Amino acid sequence: AQTVTQSQPEMSVQEAETVTLSCTYDTSENNYYLFWYKQPPSRQMILVIRQEAYKQQNATENRFSVNFQKAAKSFSLKISDSQLGDTAMYFCAFMPDTGNQFYFGTGTSLTVIP
Amino acid sequence: EPEVTQTPSHQVTQMGQEVILRCVPISNHLYFYWYRQILGQKVEFLVSFYNNEISEKSEIFDDQFSVERPDGSNFTLKIRSTKLEDSAMYFCASEGLRNTEAFFGQGTRLTVV
Repeated sequence: AQTVTQSQPEMSVQEAETVTLSCTYDTSENNYYLFWYKQPPSRQMILVIRQEAYKQQNATENRFSVNFQKAAKSFSLKISDSQLGDTAMYFCAFMPDTGNQFYFGTGTSLTVIP
Repeated sequence: EPEVTQTPSHQVTQMGQEVILRCVPISNHLYFYWYRQILGQKVEFLVSFYNNEISEKSEIFDDQFSVERPDGSNFTLKIRSTKLEDSAMYFCASEGLRNTEAFFGQGTRLTVV
C-alpha cells in the first residue's frame, strides 16, 4: 500500500523568509514520481514541482526546491523568498510508475504573513 | 496556456437525483482522472481512464458512479443516485504522458441536499 504523510497541518512564514514543508511516503515500489501541488483559496490544484525517483538531483523551479531523500522516503518542499501569493494549501503526492493514480497527503496549510 | 475546464462550477442537487459533472481535458491528453475533496479533507482518487476504458478505480467509485468520454473531447462523471455524503469538490485532471504533469480543472462543487 502507498501512503503519503504530511505531519504539519498548518505553517506560517514571514514574507521574504524561507519555509520548508515536510512530506514522507511509504511504498515498496522502486520507480515512482513525487509531486507538490498548491491549492489556493480558489481551490484549483496547481502543480508546483515534480521529482522522478530515479533522479538523484533535487528538482528546482524558481523559488521552489525539494529535498528528496529516497532512502528515508522523504520529499520536503522549500519555498524561498516567500510571497503573499504563496498562501495556500500544499499537497504532497506520489504516483508509482506502474500505477494509475496519485496518492495525496492530507495537506499543509501555509500562511505567508506580511 | 492549455487548461482543463469543468462545468458547472457549482451544482446543487436533491438526494437521490442523478448528476453529471463535465470536464473538457486538454486536447491532446490521453490520461484522465476524477478526484474528489470533501471540505477540509484530503484529495481522494476516484477513477483513472485511458484508451476509452477505466484503468483503475478506488473503493469510493462504486456502482453509483460511472465515467464516459462520449465524443472524444468531454469526460464526464455521473453519479446515479446522489447521497448527502457525495457533497464534495470534484476535480478532473488530464495528462499527456503518464507521470509527467496532471493538469487539474478548477473543480465542481457538488452540494447534495
